[in-house]
Amino acid sequence: GESVGLHLPTLSVQEGDNSIINCAYSNSASDYFIWYKQESGKGPQFIIDIRSNMDKRQGQRVTVLLNKTVKHLSLQIAATQPGDSAVYFCAEAMNTGFQKLVFGTGTRLLVSP
Amino acid sequence: EPEVTQTPSHQVTQMGQEVILRCVPISNHLYFYWYRQILGQKVEFLVSFYNNEISEKSEIFDDQFSVERPDGSNFTLKIRSTKLEDSAMYFCASSEIADYNEQFFGPGTRLTVL
Repeated sequence: GESVGLHLPTLSVQEGDNSIINCAYSNSASDYFIWYKQESGKGPQFIIDIRSNMDKRQGQRVTVLLNKTVKHLSLQIAATQPGDSAVYFCAEAMNTGFQKLVFGTGTRLLVSP
Repeated sequence: EPEVTQTPSHQVTQMGQEVILRCVPISNHLYFYWYRQILGQKVEFLVSFYNNEISEKSEIFDDQFSVERPDGSNFTLKIRSTKLEDSAMYFCASSEIADYNEQFFGPGTRLTVL
């Protein structure tokens, strides 16, 4: 049978609200961070990235904040839409020439109309 | 928009059998990766591949696993003798360069070992 997986933390919001998804990363030597979105039955989809020499980066409706002091990453989604419903993973990498991504456990975002 | 493709979408096999999972990375990409995701768990790195060589592999990637780029377009993951615990989604990814660069993921192959 199928194994029982981890219970993902879930963030439930109303359409139009702003969402904030948090992630604690593990390696203080990591210098590149990515947020991925994963919809059911699909592969991870790139949302936004940030290098360790920055503390904030903005995209379209999304903002990533990096706090290296406490090894914390957050993803802010403005005006959340039902299509944003998915599992969101942060990933970290130490760019030593070959970029191995280390993924976090993920947060499920549920957006109600 | 170019994308990574994977076949098959679902593979069912008996324990002890060999399976080959296939991927076609984005055509101008040079760096290739395999990850897996056990149901409900996080995505785990298996192996990275560049210039026809493995550049890094995880503890999961033992002697039962191998990767190959048999031609200019395909990138394969072979599991020689599958175990029940190999049941997972297997994702292929590719990137144009290695550092500070987005990895594009394929849709995955669901491997079920019975």
